[in-house]
Amino acid sequence: DQQVKQNSPSLSVQEGRISILNCDYTNSMFDYFLWYKKYPAEGPTFLISISSIKDKNEDGRFTVFLNKSAKHLSLHIVPSQPGDSAVYFCAATAKEGYQKVTFGTGTKLQVIP
Amino acid sequence: GAVVSQHPSRVICKSGTSVKIECRSLDFQATTMFWYRQFPKQSLMLMATSNEGSKATYEQGVEKDKFLINHASLTLSTLTVTSAHPEDSSFYICSARDQEGAYSPLHFGNGTRLTVT
Repeated sequence: DQQVKQNSPSLSVQEGRISILNCDYTNSMFDYFLWYKKYPAEGPTFLISISSIKDKNEDGRFTVFLNKSAKHLSLHIVPSQPGDSAVYFCAATAKEGYQKVTFGTGTKLQVIP
Repeated sequence: GAVVSQHPSRVICKSGTSVKIECRSLDFQATTMFWYRQFPKQSLMLMATSNEGSKATYEQGVEKDKFLINHASLTLSTLTVTSAHPEDSSFYICSARDQEGAYSPLHFGNGTRLTVT
């Protein structure tokens, strides 16, 4: 039962343009969402998060949008840079049982110079 | 801040041997650490939660006798893969929070690539 889904396994974007990575979840108990970036043979690096009381959180070039009614969140990267090329994981957790973080399957982003 | 160090980064072992992986929180104390496994092109799957001074909590389907976890101090957790077999070959990653509470992110080590021949 994949509770966090990233339906696009890969995405290619031109340098300077916007990258939009999408994530859907099924568990209505989830109330904290995170995005991680991962390079090959390395552990994931935390990028940005959002709690369910917000619908948007911004940090520099990265913005996460949350649509609770649709159980959907997205990560926007603008402008995209070649160094952003990596696998991006969406993750979610619930306040009750927050110790457990559930990850999506990842989207491989390629930013083309 | 919030650095998690994992060692070794890569290990190759023969079938039937045991392998120990260390996970350290370098600049914070962690009463709880989490061990994940990632198969190629798949998501990170939580294997177990390591609790300092007490038994680890294993996820469904993870054999506790095969994956021994010890959390002897507030900065060190170890995962031992006992009697390793080729199907145990995977990428193992540990993580921890530098702040308690639901709304703080996990910080990950760099992972250990285990190859069992």
